Amino acid sequence: DAGVIQSPRHEVTEMGQEVTLRCKPISGHDYLFWYRQTMMRGLELLIYFNNNVPIDDSGMPEDRFSAKMPNASFSTLKIQPSEPRDSAVYFCASSSDLANVNTEAFFGQGTRLTVV
Amino acid sequence: RKEVEQDPGPFNVPEGATVAFNCTYSNSASQSFFWYRQDCRKEPKLLMSVYSSGNEDGRFTAQLNRASQYISLLIRDSKLSDSATYLCVVNVGNYGQNFVFGPGTRLSVLP
Repeated sequence: DAGVIQSPRHEVTEMGQEVTLRCKPISGHDYLFWYRQTMMRGLELLIYFNNNVPIDDSGMPEDRFSAKMPNASFSTLKIQPSEPRDSAVYFCASSSDLANVNTEAFFGQGTRLTVV
Repeated sequence: RKEVEQDPGPFNVPEGATVAFNCTYSNSASQSFFWYRQDCRKEPKLLMSVYSSGNEDGRFTAQLNRASQYISLLIRDSKLSDSATYLCVVNVGNYGQNFVFGPGTRLSVLP
């Protein structure tokens, strides 16, 4: 398995532009998580899905952020319009829930976003 | 109070030293516990799960105290390659899975 795949790896965009981050979870995993990591705030959970349904989006900072999971193998995180304070590393992670509470989350390599 | 708290660090130790990291969590209903390792500019990766009875994996020992809501990680005979940030992770999902990460403790092992 190739693991969790994110694209792009790096994104530099101008303030006000729309940014779309993409994630392909590990096949068979039914949970997908979007995290944001900054030096100041560490790893913050933005939203997570179970079986393609958003379960908790309380971490989404504001209406400029939206996430979708149209099918089991693809998710997007969109920022529109982007602002400099959105600059961070965005990680996607997936996990399975096989009645084993010790299942872990597997992370993609992240997208490093810079908004100038 | 944050859901998961860790020693602020950084920890700078010589090769061969033993180092211990502590972590506390606030949600008593937390289901499962992990230690992740994150190298600079890389994604977090699982180091080890933490089981109720405590568990060991080579030089690494994890302990859980549910009554005190406390987790620890002990690294013996530290190597240069152990230099990284160590993240305490708690699954607080009441329904399924919801991984909450601590702020991490940075470890530098010095020659």
